[in-house]
Amino acid sequence: AQTVTQSQPEMSVQEAETVTLSCTYDTSESDYYLFWYKQPPSRQMILVIRQEAYKQQNATENRFSVNFQKAAKSFSLKISDSQLGDAAMYFCAYRSTALRPTGTASKLTFGTGTRLQVTL
Amino acid sequence: DGGITQSPKYLFRKEGQNVTLSCEQNLNHDAMYWYRQDPGQGLRLIYYSQIVNDFQKGDIAEGYSVSREKKESFPLTVTSAQKNPTAFYLCATSRGVQPQHFGDGTRLSIL
Repeated sequence: AQTVTQSQPEMSVQEAETVTLSCTYDTSESDYYLFWYKQPPSRQMILVIRQEAYKQQNATENRFSVNFQKAAKSFSLKISDSQLGDAAMYFCAYRSTALRPTGTASKLTFGTGTRLQVTL
Repeated sequence: DGGITQSPKYLFRKEGQNVTLSCEQNLNHDAMYWYRQDPGQGLRLIYYSQIVNDFQKGDIAEGYSVSREKKESFPLTVTSAQKNPTAFYLCATSRGVQPQHFGDGTRLSIL
């Protein structure tokens, strides 16, 4: 079974600075997806960024980028120019290949999350 | 607007009572999922469904039941067999290999 580990329960960053959130995972699969989701106080889960394992290039979305190290099974999230609105819980998630031979439903395995505080 | 609607936002359960959480979507997504979130933990999969009239157990299905009579709807029933139901419940949908989209959640508490 896949596992996802986020070793930083809490992180703090000053506004306009850069912060990196860590995530490691364990899997025997070669083809998978990795995600970072943001959960603000409203509790809504918002997709921040995704990475396909077969792509060597690191994904970027505006101020958010990842450092994907497949051999090391590491998937960190870098937030540049941090803003007050970035304050939230951040979850790293691993998406398995399809749950059944037919169909496309897939399971997300989540880490325990990192609470990010943004200070003035 | 297309989206996922979960209701109610807050729900209270008495001892020995079954309660049903609603999840409706108009995204035309085939797959639907139910997750449970406890404090200090990530989300854990309860049940999922790929098509109408088909659903499968996830990692923590004991004490829960689901149905998928319509593509748009995937209600979750928390039965009296679930001894620790207090949690935040999230419904999600997906289509093909696209990422899962989540509803706003239902918070269930014990009276």
